[in-house]
Amino acid sequence: TQLLEQSPQFLSIQEGENLTVYCNSSSVFSSLQWYRQEPGEGPVLLVTVVTGGEVKKLKRLTFQFGDARKDSSLHITAAQPGDTGLYLCAGETGANNLFFGTGTRLTVIP
Amino acid sequence: GAGVSQSPSNKVTEKGKDVELRCDPISGHTALYWYRQSLGQGLEFLIYFQGNSAPDKSGLPSDRFSAERTGGSVSTLTIQRTQQEDSAVYLCASSLASASYNEQFFGPGTRLTVL
Repeated sequence: TQLLEQSPQFLSIQEGENLTVYCNSSSVFSSLQWYRQEPGEGPVLLVTVVTGGEVKKLKRLTFQFGDARKDSSLHITAAQPGDTGLYLCAGETGANNLFFGTGTRLTVIP
Repeated sequence: GAGVSQSPSNKVTEKGKDVELRCDPISGHTALYWYRQSLGQGLEFLIYFQGNSAPDKSGLPSDRFSAERTGGSVSTLTIQRTQQEDSAVYLCASSLASASYNEQFFGPGTRLTVL
């Protein structure tokens, strides 16, 4: 079983601060996805990264895939209360299945 | 709407009873997944359907769990003789098998509480 560890597990910050969430594994993935989930809803895809070393930006969110395709990070600049939610990384091994990380619960305080 | 729908949204049952959870995937999506999520944590894979192929049942935690997908569309997850540890949010997702990457679209989930 591919295990994806996310850190930190919980994060509470003030509006305007920056933060980074990490997703680490000993397994190599063909692609890695980041999802955000709000209470009472299913996860929603934010981004997919596929190339080692790839960096993608989505407004204030920057996603990076590790060179060896075993890890990823999500950096949020100037966090807003609307960024509050559960962030999940998910790695694909090419077998049409995603292995989800343990999740990071972010709270942005106004 | 055109998204994944699940029913019921909430289900409270007594220990030992059977429950059925339903998922309507996005029209045209041939892949369908069931996951279990406990206490707002990560997702635990349960089962995967792809077209007419035999489902991947490798994530089902016990033989009390089963799922079927009729006509390549609607899916039902059945839990027999429910136990308290089955309490969780059950999420369904669908995806286009022909998509470049396995981008999944999730339903809102069914919150199951076993008393």
